[in-house]
Amino acid sequence: KQEVTQIPAALSVPEGENLVLNCSFTDSAIYNLQWFRQDPGKGLTSLLLIQSSQREQTSGRLNASLDKSSGRSTLYIAASQPGDSATYLCAVRRETSGSRLTFGEGTQLTVNP
Amino acid sequence: DTGVSQDPRHKITKRGQNVTFRCDPISEHNRLYWYRQTLGQGPEFLTYFQNEAQLEKSRLLSDRFSAERPKGSFSTLEIQRTEQGDSAMYLCASSLIRKNEKLFFGSGTQLSVL
Repeated sequence: KQEVTQIPAALSVPEGENLVLNCSFTDSAIYNLQWFRQDPGKGLTSLLLIQSSQREQTSGRLNASLDKSSGRSTLYIAASQPGDSATYLCAVRRETSGSRLTFGEGTQLTVNP
Repeated sequence: DTGVSQDPRHKITKRGQNVTFRCDPISEHNRLYWYRQTLGQGPEFLTYFQNEAQLEKSRLLSDRFSAERPKGSFSTLEIQRTEQGDSAMYLCASSLIRKNEKLFFGSGTQLSVL
């Protein structure tokens, strides 16, 4: 059974700091990995998707990396802003589990002005 | 693109009552998913449809839960004889079948069972 773990569970940083969020998964037979953002009481917004054959994806101040063999992904946020405050979730789609995503529990990020 | 729409946003019900939620996906999307999320946890997969066919159901989806997607458009999720443990955010997502399939989520329906 695929398990996804995110560390840390919560993170508080001052504005302007660069930061890294971590995601690990137990079964490396994944099809892709997706990072989402969730604001309180809201749905999820897709940030980045990395196919299993890729090493990283970038969008603006966000960079996601994938090391499939070690079962790890990181989300790097550069020059953090208070508007980045949210919960960040990673999710993996396994090669053999059809179309479902398995999510981690998320990292709650607070960026202080 | 109006996004994924869910109705209602909030539902409070008494234990034992039946509830039904509706999801309207992005119009051209052929896949539709239901997830459940409790406080402090990531979403858990419940079921998904490809067009009108329900292709996969989680073991979380007990016989009190039923989902439909008639005509491959909107979907409904019904919970019969609700229990307090059903209290959660119910999230709907839709996507297009493609190699880089991305899920687009709605804002969810928050269910509270008293």
